[in-house]
Amino acid sequence: DTGVSQNPRHKITKRGQNVTFRCDPISEHNRLYWYRQTLGQGPEFLTYFQNEAQLEKSRLLSDRFSAERPKGSFSTLEIQRTEQGDSAMYLCASSWGTGGGETQYFGPGTRLLVL
Amino acid sequence: GQSLEQPSEVTAVEGAIVQINCTYQTSGFYGLSWYQQHDGGAPTFLSYNGLDGLEETGRFSSFLSRSDSYGYLLLQELQMKDSASYFCAVYGVNSGTYKYIFGTGTRLKVLA
Repeated sequence: DTGVSQNPRHKITKRGQNVTFRCDPISEHNRLYWYRQTLGQGPEFLTYFQNEAQLEKSRLLSDRFSAERPKGSFSTLEIQRTEQGDSAMYLCASSWGTGGGETQYFGPGTRLLVL
Repeated sequence: GQSLEQPSEVTAVEGAIVQINCTYQTSGFYGLSWYQQHDGGAPTFLSYNGLDGLEETGRFSSFLSRSDSYGYLLLQELQMKDSASYFCAVYGVNSGTYKYIFGTGTRLKVLA
């Protein structure tokens, strides 16, 4: 069990550019979550996969955000035409569950700075 | 809608006991989780309450009252390393979809 990993750990980009982040969950976990966290706030839910199916996407997420989990293993989160307001820590978490309330294991996050 | 409330900051001295409260409003409630996050680090799981009552894990205990939509995290024998942010999180359903909602966090400062 190597834990949840995320790449890159840091990303600096200019406004208007596209960025893509990768998350590798714990191998046997069927659920994968993306969150966004800004300073002094709790993680804000973005989207959630069970295996390869994207089951929920936050209404707060604009059409510039898209996520995939093509084979039910790793996941990517893409932000198109980045804006300064997108600057945040992007966290990925994975879990094993079929109901609710299971333990989520978080990765170290990708810190995005949009200039 | 869904919401959680917890104090923004708590200060205590080493060796003391501190309680961090969390009240929530959500539909389709499954349970209440607690996570710890050190500055610059990722949230790590501390405890989960799916049923009413107290769950104990070492120096940490967590309590849930579903009828009161209330829970708390109890930290005993505080150590300097416990200085961190603590988040309560509920798993609930809203408009037919399920997701985790995190509180804004309680920053715990442990003083020597």
